[in-house]
Amino acid sequence: KQEVTQIPAALSVPEGENLVLNCSFTDSAIYNLQWFRQDPGKGLTSLLLIQSSQREQTSGRLNASLDKSSGRSTLYIAASQPGDSATYLCAVRPNYGGSQGNLIFGKGTKLSVKP
Amino acid sequence: EPEVTQTPSHQVTQMGQEVILRCVPISNHLYFYWYRQILGQKVEFLVSFYNNEISEKSEIFDDQFSVERPDGSNFTLKIRSTKLEDSAMYFCASTRGSRVTEAFFGQGTRLTVV
Repeated sequence: KQEVTQIPAALSVPEGENLVLNCSFTDSAIYNLQWFRQDPGKGLTSLLLIQSSQREQTSGRLNASLDKSSGRSTLYIAASQPGDSATYLCAVRPNYGGSQGNLIFGKGTKLSVKP
Repeated sequence: EPEVTQTPSHQVTQMGQEVILRCVPISNHLYFYWYRQILGQKVEFLVSFYNNEISEKSEIFDDQFSVERPDGSNFTLKIRSTKLEDSAMYFCASTRGSRVTEAFFGQGTRLTVV
């Protein structure tokens, strides 16, 4: 059964720092991995989607990498800003017979960027 | 930019009552999903829907739950007889394709069962 784990559970950094959020998954049979941002009491905003054949994706100050064979992904945030404060969720889409594309989520990393 | 919209944003209901949560997926998307997030826990998959039928469901999605696409735009989740443990944030999501396309989520409906 696929399990997704995110470390650390919480992270506090000063503004301007570069930081890395980690995600690991137990079964490498995935179609893709998606990173989301969740603000308190709000919905999920898609940040990046990495297909299983890709190694990384970039969007602005965000860069996500994927090492499928080792079951790991990282989300790199450059030059962090207070507006980046949120919970970041990692989710994988399992590749098994009959799967219609549902996502399995980690518990998230709660990021706080101090001015 | 197209988005998934959900109504209401917050619903309070008495235990045993029926509730219907509504979603309008992105217009050219074909696959629709419901997820839920109990406070402090992971987001969990409930059900996926394609071509007017359920394509996959989790163990959570028992006989108390049902989904429907009553017209060309709405996608609903009904809980027939709510329990206290149904209190959660419910998210609707949609994708253009099934397995390799990006999932877009709505802002959620916070359901509180009292």
